Amino acid sequence: QVQLVESGGGVVQPGRSLRLSCAASGFTFSSYAMHWVRQAPGKGLEWVALISYDGVNKFYADSVKGRFTISRDNSKNTLYLQMNGPRAEDTAVYYCATDSSRHFDQWGQGTLVTVSS
Amino acid sequence: SYVLTQPPSVSVAPGQTARIICGGNNIGSKSVHWYQQKPGQAPVLVVYDDSDRPSGIPERFSGSNSGNTATLTISRVEAGDEADYYCQVWDSSSDHYVFGTGTKVTVL
Repeated sequence: QVQLVESGGGVVQPGRSLRLSCAASGFTFSSYAMHWVRQAPGKGLEWVALISYDGVNKFYADSVKGRFTISRDNSKNTLYLQMNGPRAEDTAVYYCATDSSRHFDQWGQGTLVTVSS
Repeated sequence: SYVLTQPPSVSVAPGQTARIICGGNNIGSKSVHWYQQKPGQAPVLVVYDDSDRPSGIPERFSGSNSGNTATLTISRVEAGDEADYYCQVWDSSSDHYVFGTGTKVTVL
């Protein structure tokens, strides 16, 4: 069965860096576009970024463009989110999810990122 | 940017029907998807492409979309349906994915 396991969350100081990972199994990872979606505490869902199946095309929400970078290693079945210069408002649970015709099909359980000094 | 608006809350008695609306400018021209999220859990897709259900989702969940409003209908509501529900579309003009504001469904 499809399994997505996020890791790398924790407490990070504003302006520092953090890299999230999402390990995929149970499906052909290299055939699927992948997303990061986040949810601030007590708030709604917010799309963060999308990467195509081959890693060539990348799209970002305006709120993270220029600060976050999405990438993938299909040889390792792993998706990444590099967070540079995080701000307090980036505090959230970060989910990875598979793309299926412009919607989010399978989701991981999420990893919590807290930006605080 | 494209905006999707949902009522903050809907209350329904067990066995009755819950209708959750999602408003957006000419949303009928887009494909709408719906997610259920229970406390402390990841979202789960319950309806995609306006009215299709993923395998494993009960027939009690159905969707429609026309004009400026999309609707998720939950028939014969059960206590286990208590959750937050989010609509979602892809905005082709910006190549961005947009979520609605979310609706908390309370089963009385």
